[in-house]
Amino acid sequence: DTAVSQTPKYLVTQMGNDKSIKCEQNLGHDTMYWYKQDSKKFLKIMFSYNNKELIINETVPNRFSPKSPDKAHLNLHINSLELGDSAVYFCASSQDPSAPLHFGNGTRLTVT
Amino acid sequence: EDQVTQSPEALRLQEGESSSLNCSYTVSGLRGLFWYRQDPGKGPEFLFTLYSAGEEKEKERLKATLTKKESFLHITAPKPEDSATYLCAVQGNQAGTALIFGKGTTLSVSS
Repeated sequence: DTAVSQTPKYLVTQMGNDKSIKCEQNLGHDTMYWYKQDSKKFLKIMFSYNNKELIINETVPNRFSPKSPDKAHLNLHINSLELGDSAVYFCASSQDPSAPLHFGNGTRLTVT
Repeated sequence: EDQVTQSPEALRLQEGESSSLNCSYTVSGLRGLFWYRQDPGKGPEFLFTLYSAGEEKEKERLKATLTKKESFLHITAPKPEDSATYLCAVQGNQAGTALIFGKGTTLSVSS
């Protein structure tokens, strides 16, 4: 059983399109996150939800919108994709905001 | 601003050749320092959390230590399967702060 699963694993799309990435965790954790890893492997926080409530919203373009339908799911929707959005996006979860993170295996987004 | 700097960026070792990775940090009140391992094409995998200066944690060939300004990940007699990128992250003690990651050290161990 995969603890944190993301779909799709790869996503290739053209500039201007809208796309979504889905994330589910079966660990019973209360807190979920989206991180972006750029081409230099630098991991940066985008959003965090605790019990379905947004608690961290870093300086991210409004084109990115997270949605948490329940505590086990956190999806990421991206509007009007740009070339600079190409990266690997990681979903993660933790028992609470100060506990260690458990990461999914990432979604590699390529915008052409 | 919270910041994490890891060195070296890359490290090549022979099997059995022990070494250390460095993580220097600045944070306004440390809640925790975390070490992760990341294999190619995978998400980071949690290794250790350290909370206060002087604390040490061990797991197999890995040992993490913490001072007020830096953390070391010591690798004793590494094996090829220890090859990976090792990430350090800190979390400040202000409410609503997430983990701030360093850029990682890529370790290659050859037999």
